[in-house]
Amino acid sequence: QKEVEQNSGPLSVPEGAIASLNCTYSDRVSQSFFWYRQYSGKSPELIMSIYSNGDKEDGRFTAQLNKASQYVSLLIRDSQPSDSATYLCAVIQGAQKLVFGQGTRLTINP
Amino acid sequence: SQTIHQWPATLVQPVGSPLSLECTVEGTSNPNLYWYRQAAGRGLQLLFYSVGIGQISSEVPQNLSASRPQDRQFILSSKKLLLSDSGFYLCAWSAGHRNNYGYTFGSGTRLTVV
Repeated sequence: QKEVEQNSGPLSVPEGAIASLNCTYSDRVSQSFFWYRQYSGKSPELIMSIYSNGDKEDGRFTAQLNKASQYVSLLIRDSQPSDSATYLCAVIQGAQKLVFGQGTRLTINP
Repeated sequence: SQTIHQWPATLVQPVGSPLSLECTVEGTSNPNLYWYRQAAGRGLQLLFYSVGIGQISSEVPQNLSASRPQDRQFILSSKKLLLSDSGFYLCAWSAGHRNNYGYTFGSGTRLTVV
């Protein structure tokens, strides 16, 4: 079982709709979770972090965490073409290591 | 504010040649430093991390090595490159024990071994 799993996509969403990205992780003791956005040919940039069960909202982005189910998700409301990118889920494992999923490629169709 | 510099941006090297990629961080002290590699269309694979000068942990056996000669400098090296070393190499830093804030990445080096 992979440490962090995501559907690779591609996920296609019409402009203005809600994009939903999902991630599961294997290490039950993980406490810190992150979503990164990576445009083609660029380095990843941090867009959301979440540490407690429940929802965390930042603008059009909402991260959701369920530690019992070992599940993290990212919702993007009012999707824009500029949201088209690969979204990487990442989990802190041990004291120092950030482990990434393979990423989900999201395309927003005008 | 903290900034991370990584160079070169692109590199084309023949098989069997040496490699040296450099990463420096400004605006912070005693950062944790990381080297990741991303193969085409794949996720990020952690190669090395360092929690202090001279302290290097290797995650994946390979013909690459890392060094940290100064607090804010991290170097990725190889004596002889293989075709399989091609990829997008990313340096990242986190604020020591406060890695709950996530990692910040440099702009990356795209390496093509020919």
